[in-house]
Amino acid sequence: GAVVSQHPSWVICKSGTSVKIECRSLDFQATTMFWYRQFPKQSLMLMATSNEGSKATYEQGVEKDKFLINHASLTLSTLTVTSAHPEDSSFYICSARVGVQYEQYFGPGTRLTVT
Amino acid sequence: QKEVEQDPGPLSVPEGAIVSLNCTYSNSAFQYFMWYRQYSRKGPELLMYTYSSGNKEDGRFTAQVDKSSKYISLFIRDSQPSDSATYLCAMKEKSSGDKLTFGTGTRLAVRP
Repeated sequence: GAVVSQHPSWVICKSGTSVKIECRSLDFQATTMFWYRQFPKQSLMLMATSNEGSKATYEQGVEKDKFLINHASLTLSTLTVTSAHPEDSSFYICSARVGVQYEQYFGPGTRLTVT
Repeated sequence: QKEVEQDPGPLSVPEGAIVSLNCTYSNSAFQYFMWYRQYSRKGPELLMYTYSSGNKEDGRFTAQVDKSSKYISLFIRDSQPSDSATYLCAMKEKSSGDKLTFGTGTRLAVRP
């Protein structure tokens, strides 16, 4: 149980374009999902908390207009990187909290390369 | 100073060895402690979850929390080549909602 998927697993886009990453909970309903980014050899950094049916909560320093998050259903959250630049190249990982427990289960990640 | 410190390694051990992975932290409000395993180019996988101080065992894995020293450990017994991965510690305050603070991860290589 508690399987989280992400799509795509790897995407290359040109500078200035937008790219959408999907995060799905496959065998449970997730009222809360989280988006992280991870640079090589660095920690996971929380970008935002996504709640179903409401606006996402962004961490300090994360541009909400650049990283659009939508959590339209209990099994799907999306992250859209708008007007992507090479410095946005990173590993983006989503996670979901199961029920009222504090454990988070992570998706396999999406590697974004902006050329 | 980072809130969570973790030696990045790499740590190389022979198959069958006991592995000790550690994190120190500075925030005394952390109450929940987790260990994740992350294979290359994959998302983290939850291994162990503990609340407050004490030990927790699950198969070959044992997690220890020493809140007085602000120090947590993960022990892996009878290590296998399939244990080769990056191990991340993560912590959470009781009152901080869902926000996890991660260490940078320790890269472990188990030699056959």
